[in-house]
Order: sequence, then structure tokens, then C-alpha cells
Amino acid sequence: NFMLTQPHSVSESPGKTVTISCTRSSGSIASNYVQWYQQRPGSSPTTVIYEDNQRPSGVPDRFSGSIDSSSNSASLTISGLKTEDEADYYCQSYDSSNHQGVFGGGTKLTVL
Amino acid sequence: EVQLVESGGVVVQPGGSLRLSCAASGFTFDDYTMHWVRQAPGKGLEWVSLISWDGGSTYYADSVKGRFTISRDNSKNSLYLQMNSLRTEDTALYYCAKDATRTQGWSYYFDYWGQGTLVTVSS
Repeated sequence: NFMLTQPHSVSESPGKTVTISCTRSSGSIASNYVQWYQQRPGSSPTTVIYEDNQRPSGVPDRFSGSIDSSSNSASLTISGLKTEDEADYYCQSYDSSNHQGVFGGGTKLTVL
Repeated sequence: EVQLVESGGVVVQPGGSLRLSCAASGFTFDDYTMHWVRQAPGKGLEWVSLISWDGGSTYYADSVKGRFTISRDNSKNSLYLQMNSLRTEDTALYYCAKDATRTQGWSYYFDYWGQGTLVTVSS
């Protein structure tokens, strides 16, 4: 079993760029796709990135995803930050050794 | 429009049982693998279980294995989670989520989520 580790919180000013990391504890980050979900208070999660770097329709191109094998991590980058981006963000992948889904602990993004 | 509507969440005593339901609409239900994901109050997301489009494959998180059973009734477009031997740590909002991959597979990419149903395990 592996874990996905995210920073507990990040903050940045409107208009700036922020990157949230998600580090896989064992096995290659490239072994299974990584998704990123946004969850606003009181709402269900919605997808902002799937399959490492794909954006669902309707998600602005300010959101981008990538993976880095050297650090064994995935990253979500949000540029041109808006106050509406303030939310919790979760990375998620799949452990094919035991057929279990894996979520990171979540990162609270504050835009102020 | 895809809709997932969970129900069945209540307050239950430790050791008790409960069955959650999820009514699906807006897509061909029996083409898709389905999942349950939960979120304890103020905590992060935790994947709970998967069931394949035909019910032939099921998988569980270690934390619920042997206590929870996932099932589906494709004739009713419904997903279920039978929860036995409930513990206080099972207290959470339980979401039904649709897998994005159509037929004969799963990706663990949850493209649609319900609004959740709250299960509280307390004496």
C-alpha cells in the first residue's frame, strides 16, 4: 500500500500562481493516473484534473496538472488565482496491487 | 444530466447495521463501475469500495473489509452499501461516485458524485 502526501495548507494572493504537491510514498507516481478534486465547503468534490494532466470540460485552463518521476510526485498548479478557487484540493490515485483507491490528505487553499 | 442521490444515513449505535442506497439516473447505469467514498466530519476523503458494472468484482478498503458489502441492482439503477458491525470511526458522510470508464474496466476516476448521506455511529 502506498500513501499520497499533500501539504496541509497553502495560501497565495489573487492573481498569483500556486502549486500543490502530492508525493507518492512507494511505487512510481507514473504507475497509475492521478486525479485532482476541488471541494468547496458544504459541497461534493468536483474534478479539476484527471489522468495526470487532463481538464474536464468547463474547468478553466488556469488549472493544470503534471507528474514528476524524479520527485515521485504530482502537482496541481492554479494560475491567476481567484477568490473562488479557495477550497480543499485532494489528489487521488489507485493502488493496483490491492485494487484500492487512495486519496491524499487534502490541501486547504486560501486566497487572500 | 447525471444524478446520484444517496439515502439511508441515520444515527446508529456501535455494533449496529445500516444499508445505504444510491439512486442513479441520467446515464446507462449498467455500463459503469460504481464506488462509495466517505468523509468523516472535518476530515479528508477516504475511498471505501468498488463494484464493477456487472457486480462480478468488488473491492474494499482495509478499514471496512469483512464488515461492509457493496452491491447493485441494475434493474433498479441502484447501488447499495450494507454496513455491519459499525464503529464510531465509521461516522462520515458517504458519497456514491460514478467511475468514468465505460464497461469492462475501471479507472478510479470519479467523474460524478452524489451529495452524500450522513452516517453517525454513536451510543
